[in-house]
Amino acid sequence: DQQVKQNSPSLSVQEGRISILNCDYTNSMFDYFLWYKKYPAEGPTFLISISSIKDKNEDGRFTVFLNKSAKHLSLHIVPSQPGDSAVYFCAASDDFGNEKLTFGTGTRLTIIP
Amino acid sequence: DTGVSQDPRHKITKRGQNVTFRCDPISEHNRLYWYRQTLGQGPEFLTYFQNEAQLEKSRLLSDRFSAERPKGSFSTLEIQRTEQGDSAMYLCASSLSPSGANVLTFGAGSRLTVL
Repeated sequence: DQQVKQNSPSLSVQEGRISILNCDYTNSMFDYFLWYKKYPAEGPTFLISISSIKDKNEDGRFTVFLNKSAKHLSLHIVPSQPGDSAVYFCAASDDFGNEKLTFGTGTRLTIIP
Repeated sequence: DTGVSQDPRHKITKRGQNVTFRCDPISEHNRLYWYRQTLGQGPEFLTYFQNEAQLEKSRLLSDRFSAERPKGSFSTLEIQRTEQGDSAMYLCASSLSPSGANVLTFGAGSRLTVL
């Protein structure tokens, strides 16, 4: 049972444009959501997070939006840069401060120069 | 600090052999996690330690798997009698708790190939 779903395995975006990565979840107990970024031969690195009490969190070029009623979150990257090319994982937790995370299957983002 | 270190980075073994992976977390981190990632999937939780105590184990962790963190610093993950289905990337991560941030710092992983 995939509780966190990333339905787009890959996405290509022109440099300078907006990248939008989507994530859906089924477990209503999830209350904290994170995005991780992974380059080849490296471990995932934390990018941005959002608590269920918020609907938006912004950090520089990265913004995460949460729609609790739809059980949907998205990551916006603007403007997209070639260094953003990586695999992006959505992850969720049912306990703030608990790092036992449930990950999605990832979306490979390719930024076209 | 050099981050989370994992060793070996890649291990090829024959079915039925035992393998052991080591993880050195960030020194001040008290929590240490093991995750497994198979091809096309995201990381899946296996187990975690708070200091030397193993607090939770996933159903994915069969009795052929054992993890230890004897002095609350480095950890080992041993797989006995390996099977081809054990082929995966084994990721270690650490965190400082309570931080309230849910943020894990991952190592680069140990890739296991079982022939």
